[in-house]
Amino acid sequence: QQQVKQSPQSLIVQKGGISIINCAYENTAFDYFPWYQQFPGKGPALLIAIRPDVSEKKEGRFTISFNKSAKQFSLHIMDSQPGDSATYFCAASKGGNQFYFGTGTSLTVIP
Amino acid sequence: EAGVAQSPRYKIIEKRQSVAFWCNPISGHATLYWYQQILGQGPKLLIQFQNNGVVDDSQLPKDRFSAERLKGVDSTLKIQPAKLEDSAVYLCASSLVARRKETQYFGPGTRLLVL
Repeated sequence: QQQVKQSPQSLIVQKGGISIINCAYENTAFDYFPWYQQFPGKGPALLIAIRPDVSEKKEGRFTISFNKSAKQFSLHIMDSQPGDSATYFCAASKGGNQFYFGTGTSLTVIP
Repeated sequence: EAGVAQSPRYKIIEKRQSVAFWCNPISGHATLYWYQQILGQGPKLLIQFQNNGVVDDSQLPKDRFSAERLKGVDSTLKIQPAKLEDSAVYLCASSLVARRKETQYFGPGTRLLVL
């Protein structure tokens, strides 16, 4: 059973555009929702994270929107740059344990 | 600060052979995770250690996979015997403690190909 569902599988965006990646979860016990960025040949790196009592968190060009009632959260990348081209994973965990990752979104930003 | 170290980086074996991966977490990190990342999928947690004790191994195929963290620092993940479907990248991660907002730092992974 997929604990965290992620879409789209791949995304192509023009430079300067907005990239949006969506995730949904079932387990209401999850209390931490991080997003990771992964470049080829590297391990994932934490990008931004949110807890369920906050509806939005912004760090630079990256924003997480969180909808607790719908059990959905999304990553928005504003002013997308070619250097943002990578695979993005959403994840969910309970109390720092039992991390579940989405299936990943391959983002390509075209110059 | 040195990151999470893993070795080897690549390994090719035949099915039914055994293989072992090594991980050295960031100094002082009490929590260590092993993940399996199959091509095109997200990482799947195999086992989580807090110091040298197992916190969660619910998704570890215990008939063939084993892991240890004897002194609460380095860890070894073993597959014995390997199957074709074990071909994947094995990622090690560590965090200071297992706490909600604690950042996990990932190593570069070991890419395993089972023929």
